[in-house]
Amino acid sequence: KNQVEQSPQSLIILEGKNCTLQCNYTVSPFSNLRWYKQDTGRGPVSLTIMTFSENTKSNRRYTATLDADTKQSSLHITASQLSDSASYICVVSEETGKLIFGQGTTLQVKP
Amino acid sequence: NAGVTQTPKFRILKIGQSMTLQCTQDMNHNYMYWYRQDPGMGLKLIYYSVGAGITDKGEVPNGYNVSRSTTEDFPLRLELAAPSQTSVYFCASSYISQQETQYFGPGTRLLVL
Repeated sequence: KNQVEQSPQSLIILEGKNCTLQCNYTVSPFSNLRWYKQDTGRGPVSLTIMTFSENTKSNRRYTATLDADTKQSSLHITASQLSDSASYICVVSEETGKLIFGQGTTLQVKP
Repeated sequence: NAGVTQTPKFRILKIGQSMTLQCTQDMNHNYMYWYRQDPGMGLKLIYYSVGAGITDKGEVPNGYNVSRSTTEDFPLRLELAAPSQTSVYFCASSYISQQETQYFGPGTRLLVL
């Protein structure tokens, strides 16, 4: 069964610090991998998307990496801000178009 | 553009009651989706539509119905509410495929007691 597992489940960091969120998947073959940010009480918003041939993609202070051989992705947040407090969801797309959602990592940035 | 809008924001239902969750998008997107999000779980696809007049089941369709009479609207119907349907429901849309960026609404929190 195709699955997407994220770690850690939750994370607390101090403002200004960096952090890395992990996503492991068993989806094969896959079409693309996307990271979404979900603020509390809001719907998810797309941060980055990578196809299997891409290794890294950046969006401001967010950098996503992908290792298609080990089926792992990470989302690195640089110089965290209070507004980064949110859930981050890894989503892998099967070649059929079906999306498999991870359960999310909840990040809390404290002043 | 307002993007994807959902109503209501929050609703409490008694077991056996029915209700319709409304979803509207103003981006002229062909694809629309309904998901549910339970605590600690990934989003689960309930139903989706590839265009007006066409709907299809997702991963967890039981207990729900949908219709798509226009490009803009994609209502989700709960006929006999059950406690297991307590969840947060998100509507989303994308232009021409599931694999494109999906734009999500703000969600409807439903509590069935």
